[in-house]
Amino acid sequence: KQEVTQIPAALSVPEGENLVLNCSFTDSAIYNLQWFRQDPGKGLTSLLLIQSSQREQTSGRLNASLDKSSGRSTLYIAASQPGDSATYLCAVNPDYQLIWGAGTKLIIKP
Amino acid sequence: NAGVTQTPKFRILKIGQSMTLQCAQDMNHNYMYWYRQDPGMGLKLIYYSVGAGITDKGEVPNGYNVSRSTTEDFPLRLELAAPSQTSVYFCASSMLPSGYEQYFGPGTRLTVT
Repeated sequence: KQEVTQIPAALSVPEGENLVLNCSFTDSAIYNLQWFRQDPGKGLTSLLLIQSSQREQTSGRLNASLDKSSGRSTLYIAASQPGDSATYLCAVNPDYQLIWGAGTKLIIKP
Repeated sequence: NAGVTQTPKFRILKIGQSMTLQCAQDMNHNYMYWYRQDPGMGLKLIYYSVGAGITDKGEVPNGYNVSRSTTEDFPLRLELAAPSQTSVYFCASSMLPSGYEQYFGPGTRLTVT
């Protein structure tokens, strides 16, 4: 059974720092992996989608990598800002559904 | 192009009441999904549909029913609401099930007391 784990569950860093969020999955048979952002009481915003044949995707200050063989993905956020504070969720797509991690709650301190 | 829309945004139900959560998409997507998100957890799949008239159970279907009479609409029915169904419900759609991005609605926050 596919399981997705995100560590740490919470992270607090000063503004301006570069940071890495981690996502691991137990079964490498996936079509893609997506990173989402969720603000408190809000819906989900898709940040990046990495197809299984890709190694990384970039959007602005965000860079996501995928290593299927080791079952890992990282989301790199450069020059963090207070507006980046949110919960970040990763999800893998092994078939018709998405399997989700529980998220990392990120707080950027001004 | 509104994407995926959900109504209502918030709802409070008493134990034993029933309600329908509405979901609609205007992207002509074949696949639609209902997920629930409990506090501090990831999302779990309740039901999904591969097209009009075809639905199937996900990981946590008990206490829910769905129907798909049109490509656009995928309502989720709660019968005899229970406190365990207090959650945030997300509807999503995609063109195909595998390898394609899923697009999410804004969610419905449901409290059962």
